[in-house]
Amino acid sequence: NAGVMQNPRHLVRRRGQEARLRCSPMKGHSHVYWYRQLPEEGLKFMVYLQKENIIDESGMPKERFSAEFPKEGPSILRIQQVVRGDSAAYFCASSPRSGVSYEQYFGPGTRLTVT
Amino acid sequence: KQEVTQIPAALSVPEGENLVLNCSFTDSAIYNLQWFRQDPGKGLTSLLLIQSSQREQTSGRLNASLDKSSGRSTLYIAASQPGDSATYLCAVLFRGTQGGSEKLVFGKGTKLTVNP
Repeated sequence: NAGVMQNPRHLVRRRGQEARLRCSPMKGHSHVYWYRQLPEEGLKFMVYLQKENIIDESGMPKERFSAEFPKEGPSILRIQQVVRGDSAAYFCASSPRSGVSYEQYFGPGTRLTVT
Repeated sequence: KQEVTQIPAALSVPEGENLVLNCSFTDSAIYNLQWFRQDPGKGLTSLLLIQSSQREQTSGRLNASLDKSSGRSTLYIAASQPGDSATYLCAVLFRGTQGGSEKLVFGKGTKLTVNP
């Protein structure tokens, strides 16, 4: 069973461009979470999605950021008109969220650099 | 507010020493607590997960304890080695409040350096 996959692993964008980060959850997991780690800071929750539904987006900036988890395909975190402050590591996690197991399994992350 | 605090922020020890990393959290309504390791510029490696009903978990030289009532967890590393040098993160999965979803909240980590 492959782990959580994220691509690309590294992404460089110029200010004003769009960044698309992809996350494929572990097989059988229908719950996906996105986290952001700014330089020298801890990981912060951004958004929690189920297939075709956003469950909780309380940690996501109101502007320029959006997330989706379609019925088919990976979850996508989209950042429009990127700014230097968006440079960070973005981690995705998935969970079966069943029974007593709410463990989240993390992907390797995408490191976004905005120049 | 659901918060996680880790002390100390950094720790430097000689090789072979036993050490303890501390984690405290503000709300006892949790599903689980997890310790991760993160090497510079890398992803997260899960070390130990303790369910809310458990008191401790062990893996090799690592032992993690959980005291839910006092909001504390410790990660004990026995016979430390230079390869243990990394940042150790504590993360608590809090139950949802006021109709919200559960939240995995991370501490800022303890940066450990083990000197040969």
